[in-house]
Amino acid sequence: DAKTTQPTSMDCAEGRAANLPCNHSTISGNEYVYWYRQIHSQGPQYIIHGLKNNETNEMASLIITEDRKSSTLILPHATLRDTAVYYCIVTPQAAGNKLTFGGGTRVLVKP
Amino acid sequence: GAGVSQSPSNKVTEKGKDVELRCDPISGHTALYWYRQSLGQGLEFLIYFQGNSAPDKSGLPSDRFSAERTGGSVSTLTIQRTQQEDSAVYLCASSLTTGTGNTIYFGEGSWLTVV
Repeated sequence: DAKTTQPTSMDCAEGRAANLPCNHSTISGNEYVYWYRQIHSQGPQYIIHGLKNNETNEMASLIITEDRKSSTLILPHATLRDTAVYYCIVTPQAAGNKLTFGGGTRVLVKP
Repeated sequence: GAGVSQSPSNKVTEKGKDVELRCDPISGHTALYWYRQSLGQGLEFLIYFQGNSAPDKSGLPSDRFSAERTGGSVSTLTIQRTQQEDSAVYLCASSLTTGTGNTIYFGEGSWLTVV
């Protein structure tokens, strides 16, 4: 699986948009970009995924650059409950492939 | 059930004892994974089951660890002769294996403490 690079930590203000970057310059054509988050003491939670088009769901938006070498997860209106470690993962399309988690970005939403 | 269910949620055991951790995947999910996470560390892949195929055991740290999946549903992770370094939260996850993508859903984990 392609390796990803994320900032170790970031703070954001409650009510503001949180933009979480991820670099995946070695991504290959059949690899999807996935985002998960892990709130303290809980199991990881799926957020969103995409291949090359931008995606949006009720939790977040995913913006993937045209060359697919980087992406940004956007939490449109961060709340205190969004404080978590956010993981960006790239993995082949073939279902059943195990996900390899890196260090993620520790996001702290401040009032 | 609605989500991945794991039991026990917490387990304290003495060093050298065997433990069994159980996972009930989401109904209809044919793929099942075990991960572990030591305190303050990232998620470490352990083992993966897909249907009737041979499991991917590449992440098991030693031969004290084993897992089985009966009837293509419930899975049990067994740790024999537990050591203090086995203390961690053990996370189970499941996914569909049809359709696009590879979204896996995690349970809340079984917290194991070896004393």
